[in-house]
Formats: sequence, structure tokens, C-alpha cells
Amino acid sequence: ILNVEQSPQSLHVQEGDSTNFTCSFPSSNFYALHWYRWETAKSPEALFVMTLNGDEKKKGRISATLNTKEGYSYLYIKGSQPEDSATYLCASRGGGADGLTFGKGTHLIIQP
Amino acid sequence: DAGVIQSPRHEVTEMGQEVTLRCKPISGHNSLFWYRQTMMRGLELLIYFNNNVPIDDSGMPEDRFSAKMPNASFSTLKIQPSEPRDSAVYFCASSYRVTYGYTFGSGTRLTVV
Repeated sequence: ILNVEQSPQSLHVQEGDSTNFTCSFPSSNFYALHWYRWETAKSPEALFVMTLNGDEKKKGRISATLNTKEGYSYLYIKGSQPEDSATYLCASRGGGADGLTFGKGTHLIIQP
Repeated sequence: DAGVIQSPRHEVTEMGQEVTLRCKPISGHNSLFWYRQTMMRGLELLIYFNNNVPIDDSGMPEDRFSAKMPNASFSTLKIQPSEPRDSAVYFCASSYRVTYGYTFGSGTRLTVV
């Protein structure tokens, strides 16, 4: 069973500031790392799927990096806006298993 | 596409009753996943199907839980008999390929009293 850890659990950021948070996962038998954005009263929405060590993905002001050798991924948000407020989940998939193991998320609150 | 469709959105039932949750995945997606969300444990994988075949049900908590996928467009998660500790939000998700992200349904909020 994979153990996916996210930190911090919650984060308050001033509007306009940039921020980042961490996901750690077992590096052995790694296959893929997913990031999801989960707004209150909605369903999680996929942001990125990364598989290769050194992968970097970007969508607008949000980007993510992946280090499979040491077992971590960072999510960066540049110039935070109130609409970025959400819980950000990461999830890892090990080789031979299709189901994702999710972390408990980082709850991000952007303060105007 | 209407996305992953789950029903009902909310379910309140008495302890001991049978509960059936339903999911219609996105057409063309060949993998379907059932997750349970609780405050304590976050999102937990219960079971997943690939091409309608159950692949891994090791996350199903007890024999009271069962899931079926009779065809590519429909899956059910059944709890019989239900208990108060089963109260949670149950999500269904589907995926085209493992390298793609999941698309989640809106979830079913189950309350067992």
C-alpha cells in the first residue's frame, strides 16, 4: 500500500503572492503522479499527470515538478488569485496497480 | 459529454438497510474506480474495474460491500446491511488510460442513521 503525504495541510496566502506545496510518495515501483484541484461542493478535477523523473507541467499560473528518485513533487501557484482557493490533492500510482492512492490534500485559502 | 454521473446525490437510510449507489462513466473510458471520502482517511480506493472486470477489490472494507459493472456504461456499489460508520461521500471516477487523469462524478453523500 502506497503512503502519499502532503504538506502543509492548510495554507493561507495573500492575493498576488506565489506559493508552493509538497507531495511525497514512495519512490520504489513508481508509475505516475497526479495532481487534482478540489473546490468546495464540487468534484476533484485533474490538473496534471506526470510519469518521468524531471517532468515539469504547466497550466496557466499553476505548474508542477516531479522527482521520482527521491519521491516528491511540488505544485507551484504564481500570483495567487481568490479563485485558486481549493484543496489540492496529489495521488500516486505504483507499477502493477491502476488505482491511485491519494494524499489528504493541501487546503489553500487565498486572502484578498 | 455529461461527465461521470452518479446517483443519488444524497442518501439517508436506517442502519441495516440495503443501499445501492450508481455510476455511469464517460463513454469510451475503460477504467472505473469507486472511492470513499471521509474526514479521517481522505479519499480511499474501494475497487476498480478495467474493461468491466474487477481488478482490485482489496480496498472494500467488508463483505457487506459489493460492486458490479455489468456493462461499460454502468456500475453499482452496494452496502448490505448498512451501518452508521459507512456514512461518507462515495465517488465514482473513470479514466480513458492510466496516463490520463481521472474524471470524478459529483459523489453520493450517504448518511446511515
